[in-house]
Amino acid sequence: TQLLEQSPQFLSIQEGENLTVYCNSSSVFSSLQWYRQEPGEGPVLLVTVVTGGEVKKLKRLTFQFGDARKDSSLHITAAQPGDTGLYLCAGTFSGAGSYQLTFGKGTKLSVIP
Amino acid sequence: DVKVTQSSRYLVKRTGEKVFLECVQDMDHENMFWYRQDPGLGLRLIYFSYDVKMKEKGDIPEGYSVSREKKERFSLILESASTNQTSMYLCASRTIMGQPYQETQYFGPGTRLLVL
Repeated sequence: TQLLEQSPQFLSIQEGENLTVYCNSSSVFSSLQWYRQEPGEGPVLLVTVVTGGEVKKLKRLTFQFGDARKDSSLHITAAQPGDTGLYLCAGTFSGAGSYQLTFGKGTKLSVIP
Repeated sequence: DVKVTQSSRYLVKRTGEKVFLECVQDMDHENMFWYRQDPGLGLRLIYFSYDVKMKEKGDIPEGYSVSREKKERFSLILESASTNQTSMYLCASRTIMGQPYQETQYFGPGTRLLVL
């Protein structure tokens, strides 16, 4: 079983601050995704990255994929209360069967007004 | 927009009861999944189905079974509910794009099951 490590597990910040969350594995990802899950709802896909070194932006969110495709980060600029939620990274691994997406345990973000 | 619906948002059942959780997707996806989500453990795959009447065990299939009689519907069955099956259950359907390989899973809103 492939493992994804996410850090930090919990993050509580004031509105307007910046933050970064991380996703790491000892194995190479074929592709990696970030999801956000709001309380009482299912996860919703934010972005997919597939190329080493890739950077994608979604408004105030910046996603980076490591050059070696073993790690990724999500940076939020000027966090807002609406960013509160559980952020999950999920990856498919090189050489693994194509039926399973492996999820990290998530980073629970609270943005305090 | 892809829509994945789950039959119940909240369920309370007693130990030993048979429990059915239903999931329906409207995008003609071949692949569907059932996960459970528990604090500190993340999402764990119970079963998945890559086509009608086809199913494969995930990481934690014990105590569960599934049914996929129609493409749009994937059911999770707890044959005899136990208290350790109290959890949030999430259904998903999936699209796959080719080169490079990319998949997107679309999740339902979840069913929060309490077994007393």
